[in-house]
Amino acid sequence: TQLLEQSPQFLSIQEGENLTVYCNSSSVFSSLQWYRQEPGEGPVLLVTVVTGGEVKKLKRLTFQFGDARKDSSLHITAAQTGDTGLYLCAFCSPLGAGGTSYGKLTFGQGTILTVHP
Amino acid sequence: NAGVTQTPKFQVLKTGQSMTLQCAQDMNHEYMSWYRQDPGMGLRLIHYSVGAGITDQGEVPNGYNVSRSTTEDFPLRLLSAAPSQTSVYFCASSQSGRGQGQPQHFGDGTRLSIL
Repeated sequence: TQLLEQSPQFLSIQEGENLTVYCNSSSVFSSLQWYRQEPGEGPVLLVTVVTGGEVKKLKRLTFQFGDARKDSSLHITAAQTGDTGLYLCAFCSPLGAGGTSYGKLTFGQGTILTVHP
Repeated sequence: NAGVTQTPKFQVLKTGQSMTLQCAQDMNHEYMSWYRQDPGMGLRLIHYSVGAGITDQGEVPNGYNVSRSTTEDFPLRLLSAAPSQTSVYFCASSQSGRGQGQPQHFGDGTRLSIL
């Protein structure tokens, strides 16, 4: 069962355009992460959002965590060809009793972004 | 920094063969895990370990075994390869302990084809 739904699954745009990727669930998360993956490589962490309503910026990338902590979005301003890749959202769930250790990730199915010159 | 190193990068097996995918990290991370990545499915957790001698099952453990004899190494064994196990396999590590959203450090993957 997919607990995280990402949309769109595919996105093809021209350089300079803006775009938004969405990550939605019916569950409440204590935190959510966004990763970017390039062909032939493993995912690389972009950001972790923890607080409902939180907004984080990473250069031209803006990440938002929904007020109810059930959804998140990634907005890219003035996309560049170097932004091409697979974008994955993931939520962290506790390991073991007590829930004091986090490290188990459940991923959405990803959004494949292609930015054309 | 080597980070997380996976070997081999590519492998082709015949149905029924066994093999071990290697994973090593040099960051002294307590937590290590194995994922498989299939088109349209994202990454799915196979097995994980919170420290040497401790392993547990993830979302899709059937057909795979793991062991963690040292902090650095976390090999994944395919007991009897099946075509359904054709996938890209990623190993990841992170610090465990208190705190949310520990960053996972991924290797570059092993691309496995079962004929």
